[in-house]
Amino acid sequence: AQSVAQPEDQVNVAEGNPLTVKCTYSVSGNPYLFWYVQYPNRGLQFLLKYITGDNLVKGSYGFEAEFNKSQTSFHLKKPSALVSDSALYFCAVSPPISNFGNEKLTFGTGTRLTIIP
Amino acid sequence: DGGITQSPKYLFRKEGQNVTLSCEQNLNHDAMYWYRQDPGQGLRLIYYSQIVNDFQKGDIAEGYSVSREKKESFPLTVTSAQKNPTAFYLCASLRPSGGAENTGELFFGEGSRLTVL
Repeated sequence: AQSVAQPEDQVNVAEGNPLTVKCTYSVSGNPYLFWYVQYPNRGLQFLLKYITGDNLVKGSYGFEAEFNKSQTSFHLKKPSALVSDSALYFCAVSPPISNFGNEKLTFGTGTRLTIIP
Repeated sequence: DGGITQSPKYLFRKEGQNVTLSCEQNLNHDAMYWYRQDPGQGLRLIYYSQIVNDFQKGDIAEGYSVSREKKESFPLTVTSAQKNPTAFYLCASLRPSGGAENTGELFFGEGSRLTVL
């Protein structure tokens, strides 16, 4: 069975410093990996995804993530944190599927990122 | 603007009552999903629908029901059989990739918070 681990429930970073939110996964075959962000009492918003190709993917709001197959990781990064980046971040994984759906998507438990002014 | 509209945003229910959560999308997406979010947990899939008049159980379907009579609408009913219905419910649709394999990201509504008194 596939799984996603976000080992840190809470990450605190000073404004202007680089940030990293960690994610490791387990899935059969080549993974499809996603990051979503959730602001308080809101739905999730898509940030970025890795399907194939370059291991470093860039997404919305200056975020990027690096796919590391040997370490089965997909950590989210940003060079300089903003107070507005404070939110709940979810990593998600699915196996490649050929039918038109994403019901095999598994979410991590989320990491609360707080940027300290 | 295109998007997903969930209503109501907040809902209170007495034990033993059924309640229906609305989800409407104008994105022309075929696939739609209902997730449940509890504090400290990832999103869990309740039901999904890949096309009109068809839907499938997700990981935690017991105590819930859905319908998909129109492409735009995917309402969720929380029945009295659901033992712990207090949660944040999220509706999503899948942005298609256009390829043979699904690589699309999910678009989420703003969520509905259900509290059972």
